Amino acid sequence: EVQLVESGGGLVQPGGSLRLSCAASGFTFSSYWMSWVRQAPGKGLEWVANIKQDGSEKYYVDSVKGRFTISRDNAKNSLYLQMNSLRAEDTAVYYCARAYSNDYWGQGTLVTVSS
Amino acid sequence: QSVLTQPPSASGTPGQRVTISCSGSSSNIGSNYVYWYQQLPGTAPKLLIYRNNQRPSGVPDRFSGSKSGTSASLAISGLRSEDEADYYCAAWDDSRYVFGTGTKVTVL
Repeated sequence: EVQLVESGGGLVQPGGSLRLSCAASGFTFSSYWMSWVRQAPGKGLEWVANIKQDGSEKYYVDSVKGRFTISRDNAKNSLYLQMNSLRAEDTAVYYCARAYSNDYWGQGTLVTVSS
Repeated sequence: QSVLTQPPSASGTPGQRVTISCSGSSSNIGSNYVYWYQQLPGTAPKLLIYRNNQRPSGVPDRFSGSKSGTSASLAISGLRSEDEADYYCAAWDDSRYVFGTGTKVTVL
């Protein structure tokens, strides 16, 4: 059974940093692109970033370029999102998903940016 | 900002057919597959349709997808109370994955 479990969310002040993790199981993690998608409270879905199987290609939505970094550790079946210079508008539930179709999603982890 | 446009709401009575539209452009829907997701209240999104009209295992055949040019549609036939949810279309646009604005389906 495919499982994706996010962790690392919480309350952080504007300008602060947070690192999200996603633990994958039930499939060959190293064979798939992976994505981060977020959803602000009461809003729609927004793709944040994705990363190729070997980490050699990474893409980001314009609003997080230069602030967020997606990475992965295939030996640990884990996906990460390093978030720096956080802003109030980054407040959202962050989901990891198995790309290309984003066919499996985790339960999400809430990031709240507030003073 | 969403690149794909959906109606904000749709509704129907049990048993009816409901259709949700998704309008894009040549760089996304016009040249790539369309995906549809269902998000029940308080839960993570679930893949409903992939590659324009394919259903993952376990998705009822009441759900069907289609695509024409730069637009796509999701149809729900035989509407049921458990179909009340938010629905999102999505497509690749170059190296970005873009979602629709979302449609809330209400079962009257």
